[in-house]
Amino acid sequence: EAGVAQSPRYKIIEKRQSVAFWCNPISGHATLYWYQQILGQGPKLLIQFQNNGVVDDSQLPKDRFSAERLKGVDSTLKIQPAKLEDSAVYLCASSLRPDRASNQPQHFGDGTRLSIL
Amino acid sequence: GESVGLHLPTLSVQEGDNSIINCAYSNSASDYFIWYKQESGKGPQFIIDIRSNMDKRQGQRVTVLLNKTVKHLSLQIAATQPGDSAVYFCAENTGTASKLTFGTGTRLQVTL
Repeated sequence: EAGVAQSPRYKIIEKRQSVAFWCNPISGHATLYWYQQILGQGPKLLIQFQNNGVVDDSQLPKDRFSAERLKGVDSTLKIQPAKLEDSAVYLCASSLRPDRASNQPQHFGDGTRLSIL
Repeated sequence: GESVGLHLPTLSVQEGDNSIINCAYSNSASDYFIWYKQESGKGPQFIIDIRSNMDKRQGQRVTVLLNKTVKHLSLQIAATQPGDSAVYFCAENTGTASKLTFGTGTRLQVTL
């Protein structure tokens, strides 16, 4: 079974520029998550999709971050404009169950490492 | 706010010994817990999970113990190998939206 695919693996931009990340979840996984992981910390949830609808975006800085999953499969996360504090690894995860994760763990991709100059 | 935390940021273990990584959680309503392993440059990798109606669950070389009385979770790795060197995170499921809250992690260093 193929895992969660993310691209690019690395991205370096200057502050105030824009950037986009792409995620392809495990086939058949209805739920998709975007996390931000700052160096030395655990992942922090930014947004959760169930199919093409947003379930939770309470932690997403909506003034600069946006995400979509138009067809309920692939997803993109965008930052515009980027700030220095956005330097982090952006992880995508997916899970099989469309509701509580009680029985199905989230499976993660290897992330995109973003550096803001 | 409620959070998941870890007691030891770094743990050094000799190859072949058993490792115990601890985690304290504060949300008494959490009913599902997961341990993840994260190697450098990789995403978190699922190790083992446990529901709150259990106090122990075993996998291959790993055991998770849950003590709801003191809100404590531990991961035991038997016969620790160099390939076990990584950062280990515990995460708890909070709320109704499948939201996982992660701790800051424990780095496991396996010495030869």
